[in-house]
Amino acid sequence: SQKIEQNSEALNIQEGKTATLTCNYTNYSPAYLQWYRQDPGRGPVFLLLIRENEKEKRKERLKVTFDTTLKQSLFHITASQPADSATYLCALEANNQGGKLIFGQGTELSVKP
Amino acid sequence: DAGVIQSPRHEVTEMGQEVTLRCKPISGHDYLFWYRQTMMRGLELLIYFNNNVPIDDSGMPEDRFSAKMPNASFSTLKIQPSEPRDSAVYFCASSLGWMGTEAFFGQGTRLTVV
Repeated sequence: SQKIEQNSEALNIQEGKTATLTCNYTNYSPAYLQWYRQDPGRGPVFLLLIRENEKEKRKERLKVTFDTTLKQSLFHITASQPADSATYLCALEANNQGGKLIFGQGTELSVKP
Repeated sequence: DAGVIQSPRHEVTEMGQEVTLRCKPISGHDYLFWYRQTMMRGLELLIYFNNNVPIDDSGMPEDRFSAKMPNASFSTLKIQPSEPRDSAVYFCASSLGWMGTEAFFGQGTRLTVV
């Protein structure tokens, strides 16, 4: 069956450390993978997009990797801050899914001062 | 632009009643999506439109759910009759273009059916 799996347990880290979130998928061939941030009571907000032929993408303190062999994307936040505390969602778009944006369940990140 | 605007923000209704959720996408965006978010199932795509035309409604759970987009600046999601299991947060999102473009989400409508 098709699945998108993110760490179900909340990730707790200390301020200043690097947070690494995982997104694994099975039985999809994504053309694009996106990462979103969601704060309580608000809609998801786009952070980064990476294409299937890209290995890595960076934006300020954020870095995304995409390994189509492992069927995995990693999302890194360097020098994390308490303001980075939120739920992070990965989403993929696959040609065989009509290009629909399909989301994982999300991982809650808590950065402690 | 004010972003994607949804109304109401909260809706509490009794089982069996009709519920209508509203969405105004970002001006110029040609794709509009309706999602539902629950703890159990996460964020699920219900239906999406391209240039006001419904393209894929395979995520709509039952015939009780219907969606319309009468023009480029307005869409509705209707549930009739509503049931307690419809309780969720419903999000509308819009984008400019199809794959490989970011989706802009509204604040969501929290629906509670009692």
